[in-house]
Amino acid sequence: DQQVKQNSPSLSVQEGRISILNCDYTNSMFDYFLWYKKYPAEGPTFLISISSIKDKNEDGRFTVFLNKSAKHLSLHIVPSQPGDSAVYFCAASDGDKIIFGKGTRLHILP
Amino acid sequence: GAVVSQHPSRVICKSGTSVKIECRSLDFQATTMFWYRQFPKQSLMLMATSNEGSKATYEQGVEKDKFLINHASLTLSTLTVTSAHPEDSSFYICSAGGGDLRGGHREETQYFGPGTRLLVL
Repeated sequence: DQQVKQNSPSLSVQEGRISILNCDYTNSMFDYFLWYKKYPAEGPTFLISISSIKDKNEDGRFTVFLNKSAKHLSLHIVPSQPGDSAVYFCAASDGDKIIFGKGTRLHILP
Repeated sequence: GAVVSQHPSRVICKSGTSVKIECRSLDFQATTMFWYRQFPKQSLMLMATSNEGSKATYEQGVEKDKFLINHASLTLSTLTVTSAHPEDSSFYICSAGGGDLRGGHREETQYFGPGTRLLVL
């Protein structure tokens, strides 16, 4: 049973617009959430994270929102740029283990 | 979906001993595997890229003589922490991707192992 779900395998967004990537989790013990970005043939790299005591964390063009009651988090990228085309992984941790979603492939269209 | 396993899931060892962690892709062939290290509440740190049949590529600051990586087959990569010390205590995770996956998964898809918690006393 997947504890971290990214229900959209792919997403296409026009350059300059906002990209919104979604992630749902089922384990209420998760208290720390992370987003990773991955280019082909490379390992995932850390993007942004959020603790469960917060509902928003912003870093430049990237903002992560956490809705604990809905067990849902999202990553907003604005404005979207061509270099943002990659696979994005959502991950959740309970301090003991970290569980990854299956990823969403983001295409930024010119 | 594709499954990546790690063994052991948890290990406690004495300082000075070596510990081997295995990462296996259970239902697909992985030409490339990645090894990460995570400290509590922190992001994953990529340690090295393991390529089947060739030497691993280590990230800057990672001691290749201390963290030995062997990718002897398309389904198995091992990370050996040599002469482990308490500061090596951490959570080690592998991921695998590439190769001839079932179900037509894209080459860049990554599957993560469940991690191995290492405690060095």
